[in-house]
Amino acid sequence: LAKTTQPISMDSYEGQEVNITCSHNNIATNDYITWYQQFPSQGPRFIIQGYKTKVTNEVASLFIPADRKSSTLSLPRVSLSDTAVYYCLVGVLNNAGNMLTFGGGTRLMVKP
Amino acid sequence: EPEVTQTPSHQVTQMGQEVILRCVPISNHLYFYWYRQILGQKVEFLVSFYNNEISEKSEIFDDQFSVERPDGSNFTLKIRSTKLEDSAMYFCASLRDQTYEQYFGPGTRLTVT
Repeated sequence: LAKTTQPISMDSYEGQEVNITCSHNNIATNDYITWYQQFPSQGPRFIIQGYKTKVTNEVASLFIPADRKSSTLSLPRVSLSDTAVYYCLVGVLNNAGNMLTFGGGTRLMVKP
Repeated sequence: EPEVTQTPSHQVTQMGQEVILRCVPISNHLYFYWYRQILGQKVEFLVSFYNNEISEKSEIFDDQFSVERPDGSNFTLKIRSTKLEDSAMYFCASLRDQTYEQYFGPGTRLTVT
């Protein structure tokens, strides 16, 4: 599994765009990049997944450069309820289902 | 939207006792998981289950742990003889197909005294 590095914490204000970058220098050809969100005392929640270039859904955008050695999760116009821990995960899909290996994540604090 | 449910939400037990944590995955999902999170620490993978058998397990998942899917809906985690260090949040997750979009339950907080 490729190791990921992301900032331990970030602060932002309501209405701002937040970009969280994750480094994964040893990403393999078959690896996908996935981001999860976790609120206190809740289970992680899938946000977005991508392989290359840009992926966008109703919650976030994921930017992946051509070399795929990093990725950036972009949260547009954050609100107080976006305060959570955000995890970047990298791994290959396999036939037996895919265990998730969580790192420490980035603790995002959104202030009023 | 369908969701994974877990019971109980909080379980208190004495050291050495057996506990069973229960999960109802999303009905058309095929892959099932248990994770745990000790307070203030990372989410850790315990075990994955597919086609009625364990497909992967971590070093944490020793002989004291077992999983079962006794019927078409429940997925259980049993800890035979609990230790103080088993105190954690235990999350069940399920997955429909070969993606990383696992759906997590709300967790069971296990407190071993």
